[in-house]
Amino acid sequence: AQSVTQPDIHITVSEGASLELRCNYSYGATPYLFWYVQSPGQGLQLLLKYFSGDTLVQGIKGFEAEFKRSQSSFNLRKPSVHWSDAAEYFCAVETQAGTALIFGKGTTLSVSS
Amino acid sequence: DTAVSQTPKYLVTQMGNDKSIKCEQNLGHDTMYWYKQDSKKFLKIMFSYNNKELIINETVPNRFSPKSPDKAHLNLHINSLELGDSAVYFCASSQNPWGSLDTGELFFGEGSRLTVL
Repeated sequence: AQSVTQPDIHITVSEGASLELRCNYSYGATPYLFWYVQSPGQGLQLLLKYFSGDTLVQGIKGFEAEFKRSQSSFNLRKPSVHWSDAAEYFCAVETQAGTALIFGKGTTLSVSS
Repeated sequence: DTAVSQTPKYLVTQMGNDKSIKCEQNLGHDTMYWYKQDSKKFLKIMFSYNNKELIINETVPNRFSPKSPDKAHLNLHINSLELGDSAVYFCASSQNPWGSLDTGELFFGEGSRLTVL
């Protein structure tokens, strides 16, 4: 069965520092890959997605993610974190079977001043 | 103008009661979903409807019954509420569940926090 692993439950980063959130998936082929962000008390918002092509994808709010097939990973990065980036981040996959998104358990990002 | 709207946003009720959560999307999407987010923030798919037809029905107690009167609405009715039903329930929609490049991009409502006492 497909699964998504986000190894880091909680990460604290200083404002202005760089960020990398890890995501690994388990699936026989290349799934569709997504990163969503959930601000406190809000629904989820799509940051970026990867379907095919260039393995480095750019998203909103200055985020990017790189798909690495050999590592079954889709890590999210941002060069300089802002206090407003503090939120819950979810990696998600969808296989080509047309099932709904499968989410990882999320990583809570805290930003310290 | 909210794209995916859910009501109510907060719901506090006693065990054994029956309650409903309503969802409406004005994006013209064909597919709608209900997700449950537990206290550890884990998101799990419950149901999905495509053009009013049930296409995903995960292992959910049959006390939960979704209803889609039209493709813009997907309601969730819960009978005989239990303590373990306390969670945030998210409605979402997407253009098409299969085959297109839009596959999987979900638009979420703000959630309905259900507390069962």
